[in-house]
Amino acid sequence: GQQLNQSPQSMFIQEGEDVSMNCTSSSIFNTWLWYKQDPGEGPVLLIALYKAGELTSNGRLTAQFGITRKDSFLNISASIPSDVGIYFCAGPLGSGTYKYIFGTGTRLKVLA
Amino acid sequence: DAGVIQSPRHEVTEMGQEVTLRCKPISGHDYLFWYRQTMMRGLELLIYFNNNVPIDDSGMPEDRFSAKMPNASFSTLKIQPSEPRDSAVYFCASSFGGSLAQYFGPGTRLLVL
Repeated sequence: GQQLNQSPQSMFIQEGEDVSMNCTSSSIFNTWLWYKQDPGEGPVLLIALYKAGELTSNGRLTAQFGITRKDSFLNISASIPSDVGIYFCAGPLGSGTYKYIFGTGTRLKVLA
Repeated sequence: DAGVIQSPRHEVTEMGQEVTLRCKPISGHDYLFWYRQTMMRGLELLIYFNNNVPIDDSGMPEDRFSAKMPNASFSTLKIQPSEPRDSAVYFCASSFGGSLAQYFGPGTRLLVL
């Protein structure tokens, strides 16, 4: 079946550093979503991307929809302790459906 | 405004027992989703409803799992009988219309002994 592979699986960084993570698929996606999950909570939508090549920012977060439509990237600038959590990419399985597949997640830890 | 409400937050039960998880979506949202999260399989969509009608239940693992939405403000996910491999965090999420933004509840942590 379809899978969304995220890398890296986990990362430890120093406060203030920039972070980059990506998500790849064997299939084409028409929409990419990025979620963050804090410990003990449900995922929260950070950014939604709708077309190939699109670059969208939300504060210190910037996400890009890869031009092949098989990948997406998330960058966090000047990381802070509250950026700790698991970041998931997600996309709908086909058009006109709300059935999303979620990536394997990137676990981020920020050292103060 | 209250977000998605789930109960209980934690459930410990013995194998073979019936488990019922509850969800109250955000008022006005017409889509409701049930997800399961495990270390091995990640976050998986089990079933989703639109206007209280199940649209896609292909993610429901077995006949032991059933979900209902009797009205716009309440849904249940039932497991009967429960098995240890059902241990996971179960999330309910809701959304409005064509919005891609799904709002997740805090989850129910289920442990089946």
